[in-house]
Amino acid sequence: EPEVTQTPSHQVTQMGQEVILRCVPISNHLYFYWYRQILGQKVEFLVSFYNNEISEKSEIFDDQFSVERPDGSNFTLKIRSTKLEDSAMYFCASSRTSGAFNEQFFGPGTRLTVL
Amino acid sequence: RKEVEQDPGPFNVPEGATVAFNCTYSNSASQSFFWYRQDCRKEPKLLMSVYSSGNEDGRFTAQLNRASQYISLLIRDSKLSDSATYLCVVNKGNMLTFGGGTRLMVKP
Repeated sequence: EPEVTQTPSHQVTQMGQEVILRCVPISNHLYFYWYRQILGQKVEFLVSFYNNEISEKSEIFDDQFSVERPDGSNFTLKIRSTKLEDSAMYFCASSRTSGAFNEQFFGPGTRLTVL
Repeated sequence: RKEVEQDPGPFNVPEGATVAFNCTYSNSASQSFFWYRQDCRKEPKLLMSVYSSGNEDGRFTAQLNRASQYISLLIRDSKLSDSATYLCVVNKGNMLTFGGGTRLMVKP
């Protein structure tokens, strides 16, 4: 069964450093997403991406965040200058369709620890 | 009011029990509804979509009441492997909004 994959599984970084989290969505999916989950809290939407453009973003997704699909398979989330409060699990997801009943499938996540 | 509200639990039930989870959502423009399950420190996994007419998948039954903005999940004949956190999720556009989850622990 096709899966979303993410690398690395765990990233430790110093405050102020840039990090890039990588995802390979399911191959026939066209819509891509990033979510985050701070330890002990709920999963929160960050951004959706389609046709090389951001289609929706939340208030969390400020200027320090960016997303890119640099080639035909990878989808990346960059955090420019990490803060302590960016420590969280970051999940990539993908879906075949958009709108109602777009079933989104999640990758295993990257645990980001900012020191 | 939280966008998606769930009782955090935990629900401790014996194997074989029937357990029901409820969820309410605040945005009447929500388009679609799902239950996901999340094991400790793992990704959310889609359990089932929830349709207006109600739907069943094996031991799992989901119901939606749009008028009351209420979603439910019923698990029959609980197994040890059902122990997890169950996430109520609503969709508007492409954005999923998650509840905080209800933790289920099934004991032998």
